[in-house]
Amino acid sequence: QQQVKQSPQSLIVQKGGISIINCAYENTAFDYFPWYQQFPGKGPALLIAIRPDVSEKKEGRFTISFNKSAKQFSLHIMDSQPGDSATYFCAASKGNQGGKLIFGQGTELSVKP
Amino acid sequence: ETGVTQTPRHLVMGMTNKKSLKCEQHLGHNAMYWYKQSAKKPLELMFVYNFKEQTENNSVPSRFSPECPNSSHLFLHLHTLQPEDSALYLCASSQVSSGGVDTQYFGPGTRLTVL
Repeated sequence: QQQVKQSPQSLIVQKGGISIINCAYENTAFDYFPWYQQFPGKGPALLIAIRPDVSEKKEGRFTISFNKSAKQFSLHIMDSQPGDSATYFCAASKGNQGGKLIFGQGTELSVKP
Repeated sequence: ETGVTQTPRHLVMGMTNKKSLKCEQHLGHNAMYWYKQSAKKPLELMFVYNFKEQTENNSVPSRFSPECPNSSHLFLHLHTLQPEDSALYLCASSQVSSGGVDTQYFGPGTRLTVL
């Protein structure tokens, strides 16, 4: 089974702090790495995604850092806000697999005011 | 309606019941997916349909039976379920091409409880 391992399981951050969630993968053929955000009662929604030809991608307060040699990627949330409190999932896939995503276990983020 | 819709949002059923979950996507996508989400576990891909053809069955027990009558609708037929099947069932859709992966859009899910 191709796995994506995510840590930590839960994270508490003060408002204005930096939230960091890490993922590691095994299959070097993966070429697409999205992060999904899920609020209670909702389905996951794409937050940001990266391909292995770049080492970093930034969209607003959200940044993905990608380390191809270590087979790791991480999500950084700068200036974390209480509205960012949600569960975050990393995922990975191969472009020739028709959209099949392998998800990490999820990280429950709580941002305290 | 926009995006991906799922009905019902909540379902309680006995182990001998037969029920169906419905998913509809309004995005013009050509692929649809069923996922199972259990507490503290990764989302588990159950079934994939590309252009109405099932392309993935991730070792799912036969008590779960998918149906894709057209590219906009996806059903999950349930019968003789077990209590451990209680979970959030998520439907997703995406546009899949030979060029690679596109974003998967998820519905809100059906919270299933098996008594």
